[in-house]
Amino acid sequence: GQQVMQIPQYQHVQEGEDFTTYCNSSTTLSNIQWYKQRPGGHPVFLIQLVKSGEVKKQKRLTFQFGEAKKNSSLHITATQTTDVGTYFCAGGGSSNTGKLIFGQGTTLQVKP
Amino acid sequence: GAGVSQSPSNKVTEKGKDVELRCDPISGHTALYWYRQSLGQGLEFLIYFQGNSAPDKSGLPSDRFSAERTGGSVSTLTIQRTQQEDSAVYLCASSLIAGVIHEQFFGPGTRLTVL
Repeated sequence: GQQVMQIPQYQHVQEGEDFTTYCNSSTTLSNIQWYKQRPGGHPVFLIQLVKSGEVKKQKRLTFQFGEAKKNSSLHITATQTTDVGTYFCAGGGSSNTGKLIFGQGTTLQVKP
Repeated sequence: GAGVSQSPSNKVTEKGKDVELRCDPISGHTALYWYRQSLGQGLEFLIYFQGNSAPDKSGLPSDRFSAERTGGSVSTLTIQRTQQEDSAVYLCASSLIAGVIHEQFFGPGTRLTVL
């Protein structure tokens, strides 16, 4: 079945350093969504990418969707302590059934 | 407006007992999803509803797990004869309609501990 792999599992950075998490799917995706889960909280939607090669920015966050629509990345420039949390990618299959397959998440720790 | 709510927030039960977890989606959202998140793990898809029907039950781990939704609103996830490996946070999410294009809004979750 469809699998979505995310790396790295954990990342510790010094405040001000950049951070990137990568997401890879075993099959072509119709779209990809990114969610953030703060410690003790629930996942919160960040963004959705639909088009091949799409790049979207939200302040210090840059999201990319690969040309083949099988991979994606989230890059944070100049991390801040407020960026701490777990970042999940979630891919939708081509049949648009409503089912999202979540990656395992990347947990980001930021040292002040 | 009100977000997705779940109850109870915490549930401690003994092995072998049945439990019911409840989810109230955002008003007007026709799609509802159940996920399981074990400690430090990702989200494991369990089941989703479009209206009252469940087109995809493929994620339910065993026949001890069942879910229903009535009136296109509240959903209940039932786990029979709980086992220790069922301990996890059970998250519910809703979206406007079913479809991967729509963002999902998550509830705070129910933390289930099976002793």
